[in-house]
Amino acid sequence: GENVEQHPSTLSVQEGDSAVIKCTYSDSASNYFPWYKQELGKGPQLIIDIRSNVGEKKDQRIAVTLNKTAKHFSLHITETQPEDSAVYFCAASIGGGADGLTFGKGTHLIIQP
Amino acid sequence: DAGVIQSPRHEVTEMGQEVTLRCKPISGHNSLFWYRQTMMRGLELLIYFNNNVPIDDSGMPEDRFSAKMPNASFSTLKIQPSEPRDSAVYFCASSPLAGGLGIQYFGAGTRLSVL
Repeated sequence: GENVEQHPSTLSVQEGDSAVIKCTYSDSASNYFPWYKQELGKGPQLIIDIRSNVGEKKDQRIAVTLNKTAKHFSLHITETQPEDSAVYFCAASIGGGADGLTFGKGTHLIIQP
Repeated sequence: DAGVIQSPRHEVTEMGQEVTLRCKPISGHNSLFWYRQTMMRGLELLIYFNNNVPIDDSGMPEDRFSAKMPNASFSTLKIQPSEPRDSAVYFCASSPLAGGLGIQYFGAGTRLSVL
């Protein structure tokens, strides 16, 4: 089955700086890669996603890149703000998201004021 | 839209008791997923349904776990009998489309503690 590795497990950055979280996946058939943000006591919330026919996608301060050859994808957050502090999860799916997601172990992002 | 609604939000029970977790998906969504989150194993898919039919239950840990979706607006996850190692946060998610274009929306979760 699919295996998703996520690094780092904890990331501390100064407010205003950029943060990068990286994930690798094992199954070359995976074609959908969402990123979720989870705040304490809440369920994961989708922040951005990318499909295998696209190499990069951007939404305001958030961007995701995908390298299908190397089987890795990354989340980039620019101009970080205190409200960006949370746990971020990457995930992968073979069926475009319709077949269930395989998640990475998460990155605890801490924004230092 | 109220989003995915899960109940109860917290459940504390004793080992050996039956536990039933409930989920109401977003209206119009035809795919429903149950996940479990623990510190050790992270977020794991347990089972998912398309159009109320179970498609893949390979993530269900043991026969003590069962899930049903009697109609498009309700699903249950049952653990009988419960064990301390079942303690976790259980999430339900729903998606508007099967077949490749589904985005999964998560509920707030049920925190289960088995003593």
